[in-house]
Amino acid sequence: ETGVTQTPRHLVMGMTNKKSLKCEQHLGHNAMYWYKQSAKKPLELMFVYNFKEQTENNSVPSRFSPECPNSSHLFLHLHTLQPEDSALYLCASSHSWTGTGELFFGEGSRLTVL
Amino acid sequence: TQLLEQSPQFLSIQEGENLTVYCNSSSVFSSLQWYRQEPGEGPVLLVTVVTGGEVKKLKRLTFQFGDARKDSSLHITAAQPGDTGLYLCAGEAGGSTLGRLYFGRGTQLTVWP
Repeated sequence: ETGVTQTPRHLVMGMTNKKSLKCEQHLGHNAMYWYKQSAKKPLELMFVYNFKEQTENNSVPSRFSPECPNSSHLFLHLHTLQPEDSALYLCASSHSWTGTGELFFGEGSRLTVL
Repeated sequence: TQLLEQSPQFLSIQEGENLTVYCNSSSVFSSLQWYRQEPGEGPVLLVTVVTGGEVKKLKRLTFQFGDARKDSSLHITAAQPGDTGLYLCAGEAGGSTLGRLYFGRGTQLTVWP
């Protein structure tokens, strides 16, 4: 596989569920990102990892918990979410965090919280 | 907060027409990127402009970075149905937030055959 792969593509969960989103990049990049895309709002940066280390947490609620076990994999653990958290969650990677360069996005995970 | 305002928010045109999409800010950016996002896909980079006044062409698409590096425009000539998608501009901030991208809300373009 090439590029950035996200699973699952669609997820429906209740407010008391615990689920995880997975992202894998096959580009040899060192930086990985989670973005939230909601209707009528700009793409919101949530987390940034550079060489597996978290370099930015953009004031994201603790019900979202990222994990980056290595430079190729990124997870977003979800628990006790709210309906307003329903959105498209996009994973992206880039060569490095310093000087963003080009972001390579996955196809996204469409999350619906009931 | 460095806001990027895109206009128009929605654009629906017939095949063959020309259009321009704008991306404006009161902030200066070290570079500006344009992405296109098709339904069910993630955004894909179209172009990066770096120098004030820079113009880049990608087939029927012409991108311009404002002289003061605060705004940009995307002009499409003879639009095709394949141009349909969400066009996003993203500004890269310099200084202490080097490397951070600020996205606009996007322009949803629909081109009808």
